[in-house]
Amino acid sequence: EPEVTQTPSHQVTQMGQEVILRCVPISNHLYFYWYRQILGQKVEFLVSFYNNEISEKSEIFDDQFSVERPDGSNFTLKIRSTKLEDSAMYFCASGRSPYNEQFFGPGTRLTVL
Amino acid sequence: QKEVEQDPGPLSVPEGAIVSLNCTYSNSAFQYFMWYRQYSRKGPELLMYTYSSGNKEDGRFTAQVDKSSKYISLFIRDSQPSDSATYLCAMTRTREGGNKLTFGTGTQLKVEL
Repeated sequence: EPEVTQTPSHQVTQMGQEVILRCVPISNHLYFYWYRQILGQKVEFLVSFYNNEISEKSEIFDDQFSVERPDGSNFTLKIRSTKLEDSAMYFCASGRSPYNEQFFGPGTRLTVL
Repeated sequence: QKEVEQDPGPLSVPEGAIVSLNCTYSNSAFQYFMWYRQYSRKGPELLMYTYSSGNKEDGRFTAQVDKSSKYISLFIRDSQPSDSATYLCAMTRTREGGNKLTFGTGTQLKVEL
């Protein structure tokens, strides 16, 4: 059964450093998303991406964040200068259409020291 | 008022019990409703996806939607210890460029032997 994969599973970084989180969505999906979940809190939407551009982003997704689909399979989230409060689980999700389910990856745990 | 409200629990039941998990929402634009299961420090796993008001059954799981009351439920029959997890409700409205999911806080369920 196809699934969304994410790498790395855990990333530790120093405050102010850049990180890139990687995702491989399900192959025939066209809609891609990033969410995050701070420990003990609810899952929050960051950004949706379709047709090689951002279609919607949340207030959390400020200028420090960017997304890219560099090739036909990968979808990345970059945080330019990490802050302590960026520490969270980051989930990638994908869907076939805006009217279908979203399938989530296992997440990347980001720890900013 | 929060867009999506979900009782955080924890909810503890004996094995074999029927479990009822509920969410209410305030935004009438929400049209699609999902239930995810999340084990500790893992990605959300899709359980049920519904659109219409009414019931949808899949094995031991039944999802119920009442759009007039802005209320959704997930019933688990014959609960098993392996059902112990956090259950997240999520919902979205239709939007061509992709749909952000709005999650509840999750209900922590423990099924005891």
